Amino acid sequence: GDSVTQMEGPVTLSEEAFLTINCTYTATGYPSLFWYVQYPGEGLQLLLKATKADDKGSNKGFEATYRKETTSFHLEKGSVQVSDSAVYFCALKTGANNLFFGTGTRLTVIP
Amino acid sequence: GAVVSQHPSWVICKSGTSVKIECRSLDFQATTMFWYRQFPKQSLMLMATSNEGSKATYEQGVEKDKFLINHASLTLSTLTVTSAHPEDSSFYICSARAHAASSYNEQFFGPGTRLTVL
Repeated sequence: GDSVTQMEGPVTLSEEAFLTINCTYTATGYPSLFWYVQYPGEGLQLLLKATKADDKGSNKGFEATYRKETTSFHLEKGSVQVSDSAVYFCALKTGANNLFFGTGTRLTVIP
Repeated sequence: GAVVSQHPSWVICKSGTSVKIECRSLDFQATTMFWYRQFPKQSLMLMATSNEGSKATYEQGVEKDKFLINHASLTLSTLTVTSAHPEDSSFYICSARAHAASSYNEQFFGPGTRLTVL
């Protein structure tokens, strides 16, 4: 069945550090891939997405590339800010099926 | 962007009582709403999908008589945990989608409700 394996946290970084959160997936079809972010006290928000192999999703300085050969969709940001502190969820969706989420990775950025 | 609210944000109840959680789409009409459950350090698990005016579709292993879902209007869905027990303690999250999914159509998530059953 479809599943997502996500890097466990928590992750603590200093401001302006480089961020990578790993995500790999298993899917029977050709999934669309997503990163969601949950800021404290708020609902999950779509951060970025990619719908086919080699697509790169990007938003707010975050990027992730759909790698079919490694079944991965790692999230990266070159220079994190304190305001990026949140929980990040990797997710996939195949066709009209529902979203499958990873376990979430809590990121804390310290000044 | 579209906003989804949940009420209450947290609730504590005694074992055996029932608890109702509301999910509202504030600035759009949601033809489909989803209810998820999240255990500590685990991913969100889909419990059920509800379409306005019809019965909810429950995922395998989810007791429909225990988790009653009503989607009576295009802006409101409710989840009632009946005869709650401590093992029902969890974080419940709803999401809403505006249109039927012929291709990807974004879900908008509520902030979640923390249920603690004593």
